[in-house]
Amino acid sequence: DTAVSQTPKYLVTQMGNDKSIKCEQNLGHDTMYWYKQDSKKFLKIMFSYNNKELIINETVPNRFSPKSPDKAHLNLHINSLELGDSAVYFCASSQGTGTAHEKLFFGSGTQLSVL
Amino acid sequence: DQQVKQNSPSLSVQEGRISILNCDYTNSMFDYFLWYKKYPAEGPTFLISISSIKDKNEDGRFTVFLNKSAKHLSLHIVPSQPGDSAVYFCAASVGFEDKIIFGKGTRLHILP
Repeated sequence: DTAVSQTPKYLVTQMGNDKSIKCEQNLGHDTMYWYKQDSKKFLKIMFSYNNKELIINETVPNRFSPKSPDKAHLNLHINSLELGDSAVYFCASSQGTGTAHEKLFFGSGTQLSVL
Repeated sequence: DQQVKQNSPSLSVQEGRISILNCDYTNSMFDYFLWYKKYPAEGPTFLISISSIKDKNEDGRFTVFLNKSAKHLSLHIVPSQPGDSAVYFCAASVGFEDKIIFGKGTRLHILP
């Protein structure tokens, strides 16, 4: 009964491959996010979706493509993986429309290692 | 460009004593601040927040203090408990619509 669940937990892959990370929330929230925690430990927003509509799209390479089939799911597809993509990716959700004052509920993260 | 700085990567505190985690920010337009707590292999969880119209917000053992003139906020945990051992992230935002900017986190160790 995990509130925000993401799979896989670990992903080890070769440079140049394409991979996806899936996220689902059962909280009934309207907004979902992808965050990246890089090697310097900063947590940075990549995308947010409200009711399947893209709200925030930070300066992220277009190799990264989010997809929200419904408001309970937000998947992240990454094409042509590069070494610098190695990081921990967190999915999150919030109850409202995605304002900065909303409490975020995070998944447990996906550790991506690109070799 | 670090707008939210947590200059202490780690902090050790005796159980039962007060833990003080510090956070500095550079953007004077920030008007909302949050603290998140993260255990290993888990995602961050929301702890407490404060608006810039206040200088203090309290929730049980957790109190956040905001000093706008110094662009500094701190999280006080009293008394510290073993379950408080975690990484604490400070975060801030400008206005209602803006995204949240996170710091790098401070790892808190509560010693028995």
